[in-house]
Amino acid sequence: GAGVSQSPSNKVTEKGKDVELRCDPISGHTALYWYRQSLGQGLEFLIYFQGNSAPDKSGLPSDRFSAERTGGSVSTLTIQRTQQEDSAVYLCASSLAGTGTNEKLFFGSGTQLSVL
Amino acid sequence: GEDVEQSLFLSVREGDSSVINCTYTDSSSTYLYWYKQEPGAGLQLLTYIFSNMDMKQDQRLTVLLNKKDKHLSLRIADTQTGDSAIYFCAEDSGGGADGLTFGKGTHLIIQP
Repeated sequence: GAGVSQSPSNKVTEKGKDVELRCDPISGHTALYWYRQSLGQGLEFLIYFQGNSAPDKSGLPSDRFSAERTGGSVSTLTIQRTQQEDSAVYLCASSLAGTGTNEKLFFGSGTQLSVL
Repeated sequence: GEDVEQSLFLSVREGDSSVINCTYTDSSSTYLYWYKQEPGAGLQLLTYIFSNMDMKQDQRLTVLLNKKDKHLSLRIADTQTGDSAIYFCAEDSGGGADGLTFGKGTHLIIQP
């Protein structure tokens, strides 16, 4: 596609359930990022992929959060045993190189997660 | 660690200039960015400036960088209702594995 695509756009779940969020980056972009945007907060960095590998997972808030990327393309962010504090907009971004030099990140529209 | 600070709200009249300010802490930042987020949408890159520059102009947008004071500003000339959005300042202090460090965003409110 022309841009970064995320699905679902909205997800309402019950506390304790697992959820899976999907990100389809721009074709050819090797770097992929997940951020979390909570109400009144900035963007919290979660994880970065270069190709299929994730050099830095330290941003993940807890061991209930995991992410994978297969084929250097689509990524999924999984949250197990969701808690109410997980409610937020989860944004995915991709960039061409991920080298840290002039990182022009292209963002998807996000998944609004609501945990009841 | 790195920190990026912005005011949460700015209200201006339509047609006036808007100036959104940002301060950052990491002096090793190579690039600094301004992103715009409209309601229900992701972030869109507006403009960026290389750290060895002090000004960059792009149509109605002017970015000023004071590296000594670690202060970045975005000026929007002739502010229009379509400029109403949240504006995020970001730095690439870590780059790559650390992503960009974003401020909390400034809500720009346009008064008629």
